[in-house]
Amino acid sequence: EVQLVESGGGLVQPGGSLRLSCAASGFTFSSYWMSWVRQAPGKGLEWVAGIKQDGSEKYYVDSVKGRFAISRDNAKNSLYLQMNSLRAEDTAVYYCARDSSSWDSATGFVRRLDYWGQGTLGTVSS
Amino acid sequence: DIQMTQSPSSLSASVGDRVTITCRASQSISRYLNWYQQKPGKAPNLLISAASTLQSGVPSRFGGSGSGTDFTLTISSLQPEDFATYYCHQTYSSPQTFGQGTRLEIK
Repeated sequence: EVQLVESGGGLVQPGGSLRLSCAASGFTFSSYWMSWVRQAPGKGLEWVAGIKQDGSEKYYVDSVKGRFAISRDNAKNSLYLQMNSLRAEDTAVYYCARDSSSWDSATGFVRRLDYWGQGTLGTVSS
Repeated sequence: DIQMTQSPSSLSASVGDRVTITCRASQSISRYLNWYQQKPGKAPNLLISAASTLQSGVPSRFGGSGSGTDFTLTISSLQPEDFATYYCHQTYSSPQTFGQGTRLEIK
């Protein structure tokens, strides 16, 4: 059974830092892209960052570039999100998600976020 | 960035109704479009990938169609457990982006 378990959320002051972790099990972690997606209270979903299987490629939404860093440790089956210079607008539930791809005869290689963790809440407030 | 716009933002319907939610991309995304269902306090759940491929375990009353810029999610006969928020999601280019969501409520 695929499981993703996030941890590391909490309350931090503006300008502070948080490091989120996601422990993966039930699949070959090193074979998949992984993503972080966040959801501000009462709002919609926002993709934050993604990382390739070997960590060689990383992508970010513009609003977090230069402040957040995604990383992974395949030996520990773990995904991380280092969040620095936090702002009130970064307050959200942060989900890690498996970013899988497969061949679709009509489209080619298609991607989707097929498994999600339960989320961890990061609150930025003074 | 590719903008995804869903309509309507909210919808009231009754059990047994047929419901359609639309999603429009700001540029062509071929069929790189997924749909998710989210219930309050829970993580999103993948329903459909590649615009029309139903995920394993998802009831057949859910269906997806479209390509290019216009996509639809259809629920053929609403069940009580279908009342939730639905999101479209494009993976054509980075950053991946989501629609703003459609909240489906009981009439």
